[in-house]
Amino acid sequence: ELKVEQNPLFLSMQEGKNYTIYCNYSTTSDRLYWYRQDPGKSLESLFVLLSNGAVKQEGRLMASLDTKARLSTLHITAAVHDLSATYFCAVDMDSSYKLIFGSGTRLLVRP
Amino acid sequence: DAGITQSPRHKVTETGTPVTLRCHQTENHRYMYWYRQDPGHGLRLIHYSYGVKDTDKGEVSDGYSVSRSKTEDFLLTLESATSSQTSVYFCAIRLPGANEQFFGPGTRLTVL
Repeated sequence: ELKVEQNPLFLSMQEGKNYTIYCNYSTTSDRLYWYRQDPGKSLESLFVLLSNGAVKQEGRLMASLDTKARLSTLHITAAVHDLSATYFCAVDMDSSYKLIFGSGTRLLVRP
Repeated sequence: DAGITQSPRHKVTETGTPVTLRCHQTENHRYMYWYRQDPGHGLRLIHYSYGVKDTDKGEVSDGYSVSRSKTEDFLLTLESATSSQTSVYFCAIRLPGANEQFFGPGTRLTVL
């Protein structure tokens, strides 16, 4: 059974600081996705990582995938308040195109 | 928003009543999914569909059934709602190529 674990589950950080969210998963997969969710809203796709060593960047967020370590990271550079949200990673479960989600990391960026 | 709508957006019902949630897409995507979101659990897959009349169970399918008689509509039914089914329900479609899923706006269901 594929399990996906995120840590930390809650992160309070000051504006301007850097931090990393971790996503570990338990079985082999080459495809990992990051989503953002604002309170009361739906999920918004952030990054699609499709191979070992994949790195994607958008603004202050950078995601990477190490399939050998079964680990993805979401790095936040010089955080700003607008990044406050909950971030989910999700892993593809074999070829059925089912996603297994982590529990989410709630990020709060303080002034 | 990949042309996904969900209805109703909010519903309050009583234990034991049947409830049907509707997901509608406008772009003929083959794969459609129903998830529920609860605090501390992320999103959990209830059922999914890979074509008209082709559906399969997810990890939390007990108490739920689905139907897909047309490409554009995927219905989720709670035959006899229970308080444990109080949740936010999201529908999603899978885009071809990158296997990325896009989500509808969600339905907040409260079972009293």
